[in-house]
Amino acid sequence: DSGVTQTPKHLITATGQRVTLRCSPRSGDLSVYWYQQSLDQGLQFLIQYYNGEERAKGNILERFSAQQFPDLHSELNLSSLELGDSALYFCASSGAQGRTGELFFGEGSRLTVL
Amino acid sequence: GNSVTQMEGPVTLSEEAFLTINCTYTATGYPSLFWYVQYPGEGLQLLLKATKADDKGSNKGFEATYRKETTSFHLEKGSVQVSDSAVYFCAHRLIQGAQKLVFGQGTRLTINP
Repeated sequence: DSGVTQTPKHLITATGQRVTLRCSPRSGDLSVYWYQQSLDQGLQFLIQYYNGEERAKGNILERFSAQQFPDLHSELNLSSLELGDSALYFCASSGAQGRTGELFFGEGSRLTVL
Repeated sequence: GNSVTQMEGPVTLSEEAFLTINCTYTATGYPSLFWYVQYPGEGLQLLLKATKADDKGSNKGFEATYRKETTSFHLEKGSVQVSDSAVYFCAHRLIQGAQKLVFGQGTRLTINP
């Protein structure tokens, strides 16, 4: 158990809909990262938050947004969903500025868009 | 740009065989290097890491040496077990700038008894 909790574990929805994925980092971790894992794209970095502020942005679509709340949990919002958004979405957390480089991953939220 | 290239899978071996999964990287600067493992139905977890040239990371019988001259970090294990079946990801993180990890595509390893 990594200590990172993601909900929901599975989600099935239709094209055009909007979903919210939730992540609770390990106790005390200030950084939260979101990654998308799909068969054709591998593991793609989406966005990072540190103590409530956006720290780095990767290949995140404009239809997607995220935020980190004062209690350090994070949400990833996916809107106007397309078939190609079907993937496993991972949240990870790390300690103060992640200086050791080790990220602790949740078990992921599997999104299926029909 | 900054990227990681891994040996394409899937890789299938018999128990007790020798394993090598190749990994090379491109980076501006001197990154830290990592191998993460993803067991079926689970999230990724750190297997081993190396933070500077010639460092050797090791864990659970796996080893990888940071080779700056060849920009490589190949994963090896002398005798694999069925329980090693998983997807293995090579990754790097630059010391400066964002703390994000850049991952390779992953290599699926299956060990047959």
